[in-house]
Amino acid sequence: ETGVTQTPRHLVMGMTNKKSLKCEQHLGHNAMYWYKQSAKKPLELMFVYNFKEQTENNSVPSRFSPECPNSSHLFLHLHTLQPEDSALYLCASSHGRVAGNEKLFFGSGTQLSVL
Amino acid sequence: QKEVEQDPGPLSVPEGAIVSLNCTYSNSAFQYFMWYRQYSRKGPELLMYTYSSGNKEDGRFTAQVDKSSKYISLFIRDSQPSDSATYLCAMNGSGNTGKLIFGQGTTLQVKP
Repeated sequence: ETGVTQTPRHLVMGMTNKKSLKCEQHLGHNAMYWYKQSAKKPLELMFVYNFKEQTENNSVPSRFSPECPNSSHLFLHLHTLQPEDSALYLCASSHGRVAGNEKLFFGSGTQLSVL
Repeated sequence: QKEVEQDPGPLSVPEGAIVSLNCTYSNSAFQYFMWYRQYSRKGPELLMYTYSSGNKEDGRFTAQVDKSSKYISLFIRDSQPSDSATYLCAMNGSGNTGKLIFGQGTTLQVKP
């Protein structure tokens, strides 16, 4: 397995469900990211982890809860989501997190539908 | 005003055409400029990475940055059906967070 792997690829959940998205990178990188991609909108940065420490939370609602147990794994725990949270959730990694000019390597994303 | 503006298209061209994709931006502090390509049902992949003004060429792809006009371009020569994808421009943001700012993406279709 190489690159950045995300599971599941597709997820349908009700507003009262709790689910988790998983991301794993095999690139030896130290920084990992969660992005949200909605139709006809730019990518939105949600969270950044650098060396397992959360360094950024871009005003994301608390119904999204990230977890980074080590530099290779990243989770996004979801609970009581809203229909407007339906989107493609992308995980990315980079060698480090310095000043916003990092080269990002993305996974294929989890397409989330909230009913 | 959005920090980065990108026409979403779609842009449809015949195979072999020269394609020009563009982004404008408002923040003169941006220094690093990138183009990502995203195929359907895939994540974005880095295509070109440039610093400050000037041109950078890689095979059929040329990235151009004009900081005086706050305008960046990606040219694709001899376009192929396999170039059909969404192209996202991205540039580094201002302030201490240095957040990467993405454009909306332009969808390109190259017809055989």
